[in-house]
Amino acid sequence: GEQVEQRPPHLSVREGDSAFITCTYTDPNSYYFFWYKQEPGASLQLLMKVFSSTEINEGQGFTVLLNKKDKRLSLNLTAAHPGDSAAYFCAAGLSGSFNKLTFGAGTRLAVCP
Amino acid sequence: DAGVTQTPRHEVAEKGQTIILKCEPVSGHNDLFWYRQTKIQGLELLSYFRSKSLMEDGGAFKDRFKAEMLNSSFSTLKIQPTEPKDSAVYLCASSRLGSNTGQLYFGEGSKLTVL
Repeated sequence: GEQVEQRPPHLSVREGDSAFITCTYTDPNSYYFFWYKQEPGASLQLLMKVFSSTEINEGQGFTVLLNKKDKRLSLNLTAAHPGDSAAYFCAAGLSGSFNKLTFGAGTRLAVCP
Repeated sequence: DAGVTQTPRHEVAEKGQTIILKCEPVSGHNDLFWYRQTKIQGLELLSYFRSKSLMEDGGAFKDRFKAEMLNSSFSTLKIQPTEPKDSAVYLCASSRLGSNTGQLYFGEGSKLTVL
């Protein structure tokens, strides 16, 4: 079945710097991709969903890139601030797979003032 | 709309005890998932229901873990008997049938500590 590898497991950056997180997946039929953010003691909140038809997606303060050829999904937090300190999880899903997602192991990001 | 509600938020059990965790999905959602979250393994799928029917029961968790969905608005996860290695956060998530976009709505989790 699908496997998702996420790197790095821990990341520490200074405020204002960029934070880059990458996931690689194995199933070329994966069609839906997600980034979730989990603040300490809180639930996972959807950050962005990406479909395989779109390669670049921009949100508030971050960019998500999807490289289907390399089966790589990345999250780039530009100008990180302390409020971005959280765990980030990527997830991949197959079309028609009943909403079942495979998650990466997570990246714990610390943004230092 | 209320989100996914999980109770209890914290549970401490002795080894060998039976514990039951509860979940109420988002109203109108038909897919319900139970995940176990640990720092080492990340999120592991325990069970998946669609319209109350069990679609997937995580193979590695079958012998002591049992999830049930008696009605569309309530699910339980029973762990019997508990072992210290079961200490983790148990997350419940739901999704809307027919969305086919995979977006899950998560509860805040039940943190289980087994002594």
